[in-house]
Amino acid sequence: GIQVEQSPPDLILQEGANSTLRCNFSDSVNNLQWFHQNPWGQLINLFYIPSGTKQNGRLSATTVATERYSLLYISSSQTTDSGVYFCAVEFSANTGNQFYFGTGTSLTVIP
Amino acid sequence: AAGVIQSPRHLIKEKRETATLKCYPIPRHDTVYWYQQGPGQDPQFLISFYEKMQSDKGSIPDRFSAQQFSDYHSELNMSSLELGDSALYFCASSLMAALAGVVGRANEQFFGPGTRLTVL
Repeated sequence: GIQVEQSPPDLILQEGANSTLRCNFSDSVNNLQWFHQNPWGQLINLFYIPSGTKQNGRLSATTVATERYSLLYISSSQTTDSGVYFCAVEFSANTGNQFYFGTGTSLTVIP
Repeated sequence: AAGVIQSPRHLIKEKRETATLKCYPIPRHDTVYWYQQGPGQDPQFLISFYEKMQSDKGSIPDRFSAQQFSDYHSELNMSSLELGDSALYFCASSLMAALAGVVGRANEQFFGPGTRLTVL
């Protein structure tokens, strides 16, 4: 299978700080998404970004598919940004498509 | 906008019982995925369906089965429940590449709120 590793595993930020979350994957992927899992367990779509750069408000993401990594930038963090951030990839295996979530980054934003 | 609907939201079962989880995809979405997320874990892909046929298979136990119906809703059937089956079960839906490719959003998955299964 494919390995999807995220760093850092845990992050504590002061409100207003910026941060960069990283997702490394061990093989070529078809698709990549970033999700925010809030404290209630909901998985919220942030970006669909198999390649390139996208921005949405205080969040932006960049995927460099040829180098097998993606970055999620959070600027001017707010307490509501707390939760776990996952990247997820679609990988074509011999047995068909497989979907893998990364190990997650747990973010805590303190006032 | 309409989202993915899952029912029930919470379910408590005894060991060796059976459970059925339901998923209603976003209207016009033709692909459904099931995931299992244990406590403190990342979601694990179980199985997917496209146009009512099984599409891809992940780490779904043999005790579990699933199907997609003519109205595109899907059900995950779980038998001989074990304590380790206690988890959050997510359903996601997407529009298959052939239809979504034109707008560059092929297979973007949207997740439902999840069903929290507790096995006692």
